[in-house]
Amino acid sequence: QVQLQESGPGLVKPSQTLSLTCSVSGGSISGGGYLWSWIRQHPVKGLEWIGYMHHSGSTYYNPSLKSRVTMSVDTSQQQLSLQLRSVTAADTAVYYCARILRVFGPSKYFFDNWGQGTLVTVSS
Amino acid sequence: QSVLTQPPSVSGAPGQRVTISCTGSSSNIGAGYDVHWYQHLPGTAPKLLIFGNNNRPSGVSDRFSGSKSGTSASLAITGLQAEDEADYYCQSYDGSGWVFGGGTKLTVL
Repeated sequence: QVQLQESGPGLVKPSQTLSLTCSVSGGSISGGGYLWSWIRQHPVKGLEWIGYMHHSGSTYYNPSLKSRVTMSVDTSQQQLSLQLRSVTAADTAVYYCARILRVFGPSKYFFDNWGQGTLVTVSS
Repeated sequence: QSVLTQPPSVSGAPGQRVTISCTGSSSNIGAGYDVHWYQHLPGTAPKLLIFGNNNRPSGVSDRFSGSKSGTSASLAITGLQAEDEADYYCQSYDGSGWVFGGGTKLTVL
């Protein structure tokens, strides 16, 4: 069973860059049939999909966050990274990494394994 | 504010059956896109419960079932157990990305 574990600073100042890492164990990031995603859960707004990437480096971001997001992968370290620039209090959330099982096409994607999440607070 | 609408809370006694609704629109569920369901105990990793409207991953109890009709979907839980007390979320696709419900807290009385 693959396991995902998020890590990173719990506190980020406004206007700075939020940087998180997701460590994957129990399965290869480069394994076929999967994509790797970041999702966040706002205290009030609920779950929001941030984006996903393939181990080859190709990415697809939520249009509402696209201008501020960068995702990357280090297959040798079995790690995924998320960077969110110019953060504000609205970016305060629990951030999850999750694996997507690719079935037929994007409209059928679902998240079959999740990490426990890490809380990031944006505050000065 | 979530794209998919779920009741904030439902409750039931042990052994009973409860359903959780997930209402979308013609842009997501009503467009024919699949609905998936997750169970989440705060502080733990969310768990996939139902995928593709009505399919259970290996290891998920057959007490959980999903259905979809029109612009809505439902999760049914039969034979309620104390361990089912958790938050439940639905998820679908809206043409440009993936959307979630606001979550429903299930309380086992």
